Amino acid sequence: NAGVTQTPKFRVLKTGQSMTLLCAQDMNHEYMYWYRQDPGMGLRLIHYSVGEGTTAKGEVPDGYNVSRLKKQNFLLGLESAAPSQTSVYFCASSYRTSSTDTQYFGPGTRLTVL
Amino acid sequence: QKEVEQDPGPLSVPEGAIVSLNCTYSNSAFQYFMWYRQYSRKGPELLMYTYSSGNKEDGRFTAQVDKSSKYISLFIRDSQPSDSATYLCAMRGNYQLIWGAGTKLIIKP
Repeated sequence: NAGVTQTPKFRVLKTGQSMTLLCAQDMNHEYMYWYRQDPGMGLRLIHYSVGEGTTAKGEVPDGYNVSRLKKQNFLLGLESAAPSQTSVYFCASSYRTSSTDTQYFGPGTRLTVL
Repeated sequence: QKEVEQDPGPLSVPEGAIVSLNCTYSNSAFQYFMWYRQYSRKGPELLMYTYSSGNKEDGRFTAQVDKSSKYISLFIRDSQPSDSATYLCAMRGNYQLIWGAGTKLIIKP
């Protein structure tokens, strides 16, 4: 039972390049999230999904796109990377009921855009 | 103004001290409150989860919610160097969690 995994763990891009971050979970969770974490800023929600085939914008969606074609996978794309997108990216999944919402996080992807 | 405010610290205390970490929030509709712990270069992990007002205890950790003041606290007794981490508060929103910025805690041996 791997939980939440993220690929890759590290990446360096040049301005204008594109890339896709992959998140996979094996807990059969409906909800999945992509966050970025910058020093002093806490976790900021980029996009999220409430089930297979659905996506929605979070707090800071500009410059990112997502897809949830399979329940277990949530992809985050950067079409044209900018230095402002240098950050640590975390994926999370959760089983959400009326009384619980425990999010399980992946190990993170450290992205540097030069 | 952010919905959830949390002092980023760092908070540095000697080993064995009682630690108090706090968050304030503005939305009175919040009813579920969480504390996550994040070690350096790792993802956050759920530490404690409380509903509405009152206290919840788990070993050396106590979570407290005061809805009338819109204030939540996490107390750590007999703090250990292994407690050194960033502690994030979170509150349940409609489809997502609303996060504090996190407080970096350093326990000095």
